[in-house]
Amino acid sequence: EPEVTQTPSHQVTQMGQEVILRCVPISNHLYFYWYRQILGQKVEFLVSFYNNEISEKSEIFDDQFSVERPDGSNFTLKIRSTKLEDSAMYFCASRRGLATSRPYEQYFGPGTRLTVT
Amino acid sequence: DAKTTQPTSMDCAEGRAANLPCNHSTISGNEYVYWYRQIHSQGPQYIIHGLKNNETNEMASLIITEDRKSSTLILPHATLRDTAVYYCIVRVAQNQGGKLIFGQGTELSVKP
Repeated sequence: EPEVTQTPSHQVTQMGQEVILRCVPISNHLYFYWYRQILGQKVEFLVSFYNNEISEKSEIFDDQFSVERPDGSNFTLKIRSTKLEDSAMYFCASRRGLATSRPYEQYFGPGTRLTVT
Repeated sequence: DAKTTQPTSMDCAEGRAANLPCNHSTISGNEYVYWYRQIHSQGPQYIIHGLKNNETNEMASLIITEDRKSSTLILPHATLRDTAVYYCIVRVAQNQGGKLIFGQGTELSVKP
């Protein structure tokens, strides 16, 4: 069964550095998402992406964050200047579009654990 | 999207049915009930969803009350691998970009 994949599984970076988290969504999916989960807390929505543009973003997703789908397969989350409070597990998710079977189920990747020191 | 209330934690004996309740008393007519779960340190996993009829798939059953103000997720024969946090999420099927708003969920412990 197709899966969402994410790399790296663990990223350690110093405060102020830029990081890029990478995701390969399921190939025929059209909607893409990033969520994060700070240790011990709930999963939080960051951003949704459709048709090569952001369709919705949360308050967390400020100017330090950006997303890109540089080619037909990858979906990336960039944090321009990391802060200690960006330390979290970041999950990518994707879903099929409308007019398909099971259009609303989101499939999540295994996550990237980001540690900012 | 409607707010949901779930118990913080529950225990279940292996092989028995796990019944996880969710209250969503402010649900609107066009809002669906979704269930996801998160096994420790993994990404959330879709389980099932419904609007007003009861639903069943290979993983679980979803029972929605007639007034739609509450629902129950049933895992018919819980195994140790079902130990996870279970999230009940209520939202309009086509809400904007389709984001999921996760609460704290119910931590289900399946014990031998």
